Amino acid sequence: RKEVEQDPGPFNVPEGATVAFNCTYSNSASQSFFWYRQDCRKEPKLLMSVYSSGNEDGRFTAQLNRASQYISLLIRDSKLSDSATYLCVVNMFGNTGGFKTIFGAGTRLFVKA
Amino acid sequence: DGGITQSPKYLFRKEGQNVTLSCEQNLNHDAMYWYRQDPGQGLRLIYYSQIVNDFQKGDIAEGYSVSREKKESFPLTVTSAQKNPTAFYLCASSINDGTKQYYGYTFGSGTRLTVV
Repeated sequence: RKEVEQDPGPFNVPEGATVAFNCTYSNSASQSFFWYRQDCRKEPKLLMSVYSSGNEDGRFTAQLNRASQYISLLIRDSKLSDSATYLCVVNMFGNTGGFKTIFGAGTRLFVKA
Repeated sequence: DGGITQSPKYLFRKEGQNVTLSCEQNLNHDAMYWYRQDPGQGLRLIYYSQIVNDFQKGDIAEGYSVSREKKESFPLTVTSAQKNPTAFYLCASSINDGTKQYYGYTFGSGTRLTVV
């Protein structure tokens, strides 16, 4: 089982739709969580951190479910410019005792007019 | 504006050749990282450095080398020992908050390396 797993998609949605992605992680001792956005052939950019109580930034809502070991990203009122790959990132304790940062392979989103 | 700069954007390497990828940041970040991205895979850590003059191997360090002589700079050398170097290489930096890891990364725009 991969340490961080995402549905690769692609998710094809019309403009204005609401879409949600999940990301599961294997280590229950994981410490911090993030969503990044990566446009085609570009670098990842931090979209938002994920807090235990859930957090919102405009049309984007991130949630953490520690009991089931997953995080989610909800995008409301999708725009054409939201088309990108969304990467889930988890910081967890490694086997050697230190922290390590694990990137998911990403979920591709296409928003169509 | 503060940021992280990678160069070159595209690099072509001949068989048996060593090449060096540049990464410079002016964010005053202590920690710097090199990742490799292949199609359909998550980013994989090559090397990281949490402080000047110190660096650690990541998950796929074989065939790569780094140095950290200055806080701002963390160059990566892809040696001839790396058998499959064609990939997208990303440099990142972050605030070093020890075990908390509550800060995300800032990435450079990447270098696409191709073996010819």
